[in-house]
Amino acid sequence: GAVVSQHPSWVICKSGTSVKIECRSLDFQATTMFWYRQFPKQSLMLMATSNEGSKATYEQGVEKDKFLINHASLTLSTLTVTSAHPEDSSFYICSASGAGGNTIYFGEGSWLTVV
Amino acid sequence: DAKTTQPNSMESNEEEPVHLPCNHSTISGTDYIHWYRQLPSQGPEYVIHGLTSNVNNRMASLAIAEDRKSSTLILHRATLRDAAVYYCILRDPGNTGFQKLVFGTGTRLLVSP
Repeated sequence: GAVVSQHPSWVICKSGTSVKIECRSLDFQATTMFWYRQFPKQSLMLMATSNEGSKATYEQGVEKDKFLINHASLTLSTLTVTSAHPEDSSFYICSASGAGGNTIYFGEGSWLTVV
Repeated sequence: DAKTTQPNSMESNEEEPVHLPCNHSTISGTDYIHWYRQLPSQGPEYVIHGLTSNVNNRMASLAIAEDRKSSTLILHRATLRDAAVYYCILRDPGNTGFQKLVFGTGTRLLVSP
């Protein structure tokens, strides 16, 4: 079946640095991908919609200059957390839909720890 | 978006059936009922979905009330690997942005040996 893969699975970075997380659709093309953030013991919170070839659409309260999203190809979206701070430490998850959009596939998630 | 209400947590014993309820009293006629689950430290995975009729697949069954204001996800024989958070989500494929899933708090299922 369709698979969405994220890389890296986990990353530790220093405060003030930037870190990039990749989301790939492995056997299908995804014109739209989604980025979520999840804090421990909480539900997933949608951050933004990543659109291939155009600007991402951010949910209310999400800083677009801090969470840079690039969707340069039909199989790859990247999320860059800029000037990371400890409060950005979280589980970041991407999703994509196959043809027709009926089924949503999620990546394995990426743990970010900012020290 | 129509809202769903689920119990925060439920417990089950291994090998026993589990019935996970979801209330969605404001569901519209075109909303599909979707269930996803999230195992610890993993992304969510699709479980099952339906519109009006009950649905079965290899993972679970979905029982939908006649008035569609509630539904129940049924795991016929719980295993330890079924311990997860189960999310009930409404999706209208006719809506722009229907691919965007909005997660509620879900039900945390605990399975004891």
